[in-house]
This record gives sequence, structure tokens and C-alpha cells, in this order.
Amino acid sequence: NAGVMQNPRHLVRRRGQEARLRCSPMKGHSHVYWYRQLPEEGLKFMVYLQKENIIDESGMPKERFSAEFPKEGPSILRIQQVVRGDSAAYFCASSPSQGASGTEAFFGQGTRLTVV
Amino acid sequence: QKEVEQNSGPLSVPEGAIASLNCTYSDRGSQSFFWYRQYSGKSPELIMSIYSNGDKEDGRFTAQLNKASQYVSLLIRDSQPSDSATYLCAVSPTNAGKSTFGDGTTLTVKP
Repeated sequence: NAGVMQNPRHLVRRRGQEARLRCSPMKGHSHVYWYRQLPEEGLKFMVYLQKENIIDESGMPKERFSAEFPKEGPSILRIQQVVRGDSAAYFCASSPSQGASGTEAFFGQGTRLTVV
Repeated sequence: QKEVEQNSGPLSVPEGAIASLNCTYSDRGSQSFFWYRQYSGKSPELIMSIYSNGDKEDGRFTAQLNKASQYVSLLIRDSQPSDSATYLCAVSPTNAGKSTFGDGTTLTVKP
């Protein structure tokens, strides 16, 4: 049973380019979360999605960032016109449907984004 | 006040000792509580979840929850050098949805 799969593991972009980060949840999981971790800082929530729906995007910057989780395929976190301050580790997590263990989230290995 | 606060650390204990990690949260309506372990440069790994007041034991790990005091802790017995990592406390307001993470406590177990 494969875990949460993220790719790429490392991504280098020049300032002004676009970054696309992909996440495939664990089998049987329908909830996806994106978190950002800046160097030497904690995990900050960005967005929570279910298939074809954004449930909570309260942590997403107002501009340049977007996320989707289409009916088919992985969830995508898209960052347009990247700046150096976007350099961070971006983690995706997934959890099963609601219930007592509905929020047990399992993390992928992350994408380390470096903006040069 | 942060939503989830942890000991600032770092915490250092000798091998074989008990390591105690503490976490407080501000949302009294929180329902789900988690401890994650994160090795340097790696992703967080879920090690304990707890949903009701009291203790929950899993091997060398014991999570303790006191909702009245808005406090959750993690005890690691017989600490090993391989336990050296950053421990993240996470709190969720419902049975589904995002978790809010503390900034983590870095634990070092010295041989």
C-alpha cells in the first residue's frame, strides 16, 4: 500500500517562473492537505481539498498560489511568478474520510522548492 | 497567543531516561490531538493520536490528554539515540479537516 506520493522531491526555479507540485494521496484517502515549512520553522497550513472541492484555503497567500484536486489525477499546488521567499519544503498529507480517525494525516516526503 | 504552543527546547536527556514533551492549545473545542516525529530534512511521521481524556500507551510512547487544562503531552520511556528528532504537536478542531501544528520541540538523546 503506497504512501502519500509527492513529486518532484526537489525543484529549482528562477524568480518569475511557475512551480507545480504534485501529490497523490494514500489509497482510500479522500482528503488532501498542503502545508509549507520554512527553514527552522513549523508547519503552516495552506489548503484542504477533497475531490473537485476546496474545503478550506484560509492559509493560502492571496496571490500567486492556487491548488486543485481534480476528479482524476493528483492534487496540484501551483505557484506562479515565484520569489525567493517561496523557497521552502512543501508537504502534502492525506487522511481518510470523516470519523474518529478522520484527521489522522499521513505525510508525503515533501517537495523542496528552491528559488534562485 | 499561539494556537498550539510547545516547550521551546531543545530538550536533552541521557539514553534510557524518560523524555517529557508538553503542548498546550487555545481552542477549547478541539477534538483530535496528534504527535508527529520529524527527523532533520525528512517529513513528519505520525506516532500517536489521542481523542479522549486520559492516557494512551503504544510501546515506549504514552500520550496524555487533559481537555479541561487544554494540555497534551508525550512521554518517551527508555529513550534511545534514534529518538533524537523534532516532535510536533498537532490539534484539530473536528473529526475532519486541517490540523494546526506547534513549532516543535527538538529532543536529543545522548548515549
